[in-house]
Amino acid sequence: GENVEQHPSTLSVQEGDSAVIKCTYSDSASNYFPWYKQELGKGPQLIIDIRSNVGEKKDQRIAVTLNKTAKHFSLHITETQPEDSAVYFCAASGTGGFKTIFGAGTRLFVKA
Amino acid sequence: SQTIHQWPATLVQPVGSPLSLECTVEGTSNPNLYWYRQAAGRGLQLLFYSVGIGQISSEVPQNLSASRPQDRQFILSSKKLLLSDSGFYLCAWSVHHGGSYNEQFFGPGTRLTVL
Repeated sequence: GENVEQHPSTLSVQEGDSAVIKCTYSDSASNYFPWYKQELGKGPQLIIDIRSNVGEKKDQRIAVTLNKTAKHFSLHITETQPEDSAVYFCAASGTGGFKTIFGAGTRLFVKA
Repeated sequence: SQTIHQWPATLVQPVGSPLSLECTVEGTSNPNLYWYRQAAGRGLQLLFYSVGIGQISSEVPQNLSASRPQDRQFILSSKKLLLSDSGFYLCAWSVHHGGSYNEQFFGPGTRLTVL
């Protein structure tokens, strides 16, 4: 079945450094790739997404890249801040769009 | 703007007791609705989704059920809870446009502990 693998499971960086989270997906029909940030005890919040017709998208300190040939996509956070500490989930969705497959999550710690 | 509500926020129930979690969405019509479960430190497991009133698709066979009695109301139920039902339950909605881009927006979640 469809699968999304996410790495690393835990990431610790110093404030001001960059953080990169990588995901791979198995369903070649996937064409929408959102990223969610989940703070402790709260629901996930959509922070950025990318569609299959583009290779990169940026929003201030956050960027996502997509390599459809390799079925890879990544989240890049620059100039990390302590408030970036959270669990981040990647996901992939395909035609019909009802089922979004989520990665297992990355717990990001940003040390002040 | 659209908002999604879930209640209760926290629930502690004994094994074998019934369950009813409610989710409502405001500010949109005919949304797709979803129930997910998140075990401690784990990812999101899709339990049910609904594309319209009375239409429920189950992803994982278990002792849970879902119902959609109204357009913007989604209910997760169980007749008899198991210890393994403990977790963080999330409701989500997306626009029902039939397209491929399935932006999902999550509610605040319900933390269920079964003792």
